[in-house]
Amino acid sequence: GDSVTQMEGPVTLSEEAFLTINCTYTATGYPSLFWYVQYPGEGLQLLLKATKADDKGSNKGFEATYRKETTSFHLEKGSVQVSDSAVYFCALSTWGNTGKLIFGQGTTLQVKP
Amino acid sequence: DAGITQSPRYKITETGRQVTLMCHQTWSHSYMFWYRQDLGHGLRLIYYSAAADITDKGEVPDGYVVSRSKTENFPLTLESATRSQTSVYFCASSETGTSGTTDTQYFGPGTRLTVL
Repeated sequence: GDSVTQMEGPVTLSEEAFLTINCTYTATGYPSLFWYVQYPGEGLQLLLKATKADDKGSNKGFEATYRKETTSFHLEKGSVQVSDSAVYFCALSTWGNTGKLIFGQGTTLQVKP
Repeated sequence: DAGITQSPRYKITETGRQVTLMCHQTWSHSYMFWYRQDLGHGLRLIYYSAAADITDKGEVPDGYVVSRSKTENFPLTLESATRSQTSVYFCASSETGTSGTTDTQYFGPGTRLTVL
């Protein structure tokens, strides 16, 4: 079945460091791919998404490119801030318009000043 | 206020009691979802609904009941709470996607449930 695998955390970085969080997926058809972010004590918020191969989603300095050949959707940011400390979830949509998303386990990012 | 809200935000109950968690959205989204979030498991889908009066099981439905008589409301009931149902519960909604895929899901703030 469809699945999402994220790198295990926690990831600890210093402010202004480069961030990569790996995400790979297994899916039938052509899913859309998403990154959600969860700040402490809050619900999940959409960070970015890509709906077809080679699309790049971007928001708030974060980017991810839909790579069909490697079934990946890695999240990157060139210079992280303390305020980026959160849990990041990679997700894919299920084919057939069922409305469901399949989430990865989440990766905790801690940015130190 | 517009958006998706959950109530209560915090709830403590005892084993065997019935508990209902409420979810309300103002966008008239077709789809609504209930997830639980536990350390080490990420988010797991409990139930979802494609429209009023249409519900279906997710990954972990046992011990839970849902209903959707109105598009905007999607309550989740624990018929006889157990300690293993201690968790943070999130409700979400989305509009119908195109090309056979789903659209963005919008999440509520969550309900932290403790079963003693």
